Amino acid sequence: DVKVTQSSRYLVKRTGEKVFLECVQDMDHENMFWYRQDPGLGLRLIYFSYDVKMKEKGDIPEGYSVSREKKERFSLILESASTNQTSMYLCASSPLRARGHNYGYTFGSGTRLTVV
Amino acid sequence: GNSVTQMEGPVTLSEEAFLTINCTYTATGYPSLFWYVQYPGEGLQLLLKATKADDKGSNKGFEATYRKETTSFHLEKGSVQVSDSAVYFCALRPLGTASKLTFGTGTRLQVTL
Repeated sequence: DVKVTQSSRYLVKRTGEKVFLECVQDMDHENMFWYRQDPGLGLRLIYFSYDVKMKEKGDIPEGYSVSREKKERFSLILESASTNQTSMYLCASSPLRARGHNYGYTFGSGTRLTVV
Repeated sequence: GNSVTQMEGPVTLSEEAFLTINCTYTATGYPSLFWYVQYPGEGLQLLLKATKADDKGSNKGFEATYRKETTSFHLEKGSVQVSDSAVYFCALRPLGTASKLTFGTGTRLQVTL
């Protein structure tokens, strides 16, 4: 069964800490994405990546960075966590549009991050 | 720009009732359209999709028809079950651009006995 795995389901971090959220996919997908999900706001794209070492800003990149050193792994980094970054973080992957029969995304189960 | 508008929830129905969740979109050209479902405590799962006008996507008793003339992709199910309780997201993926999906804000469905 194909999978997107996020390293933690729940995290509690202190304000000012550097936080790493890890995501690994086993489908050899080129594209990977990080979203945050907040009540009433839906899903908002933070960053995405088309390929190894490639990254592009999404709609709300401020306060975040990403790393993609290997095709299967896409990391989200909160350089200095703040309370307004308390949220559910969802990772997703998809094949290149030309290659995939299903043009949708495969999502991980999410990481609920609380910054105190 | 691209956008997706969904009806606000929560939608509360009795088991075996008929479900409609409205979704309209704004996009240039012919985007692909999707419905995703999120069960409690889980990530999103693809429910169904349609890639061109008049296509009907279907899965698990749910259906949605791509209506270009009304820019809509409403989700329907003839008889809901308690296990259908979840949050449903409508999304679009533009043609000829990067592979980004644009999501609606989600509609929570609660089905009671």
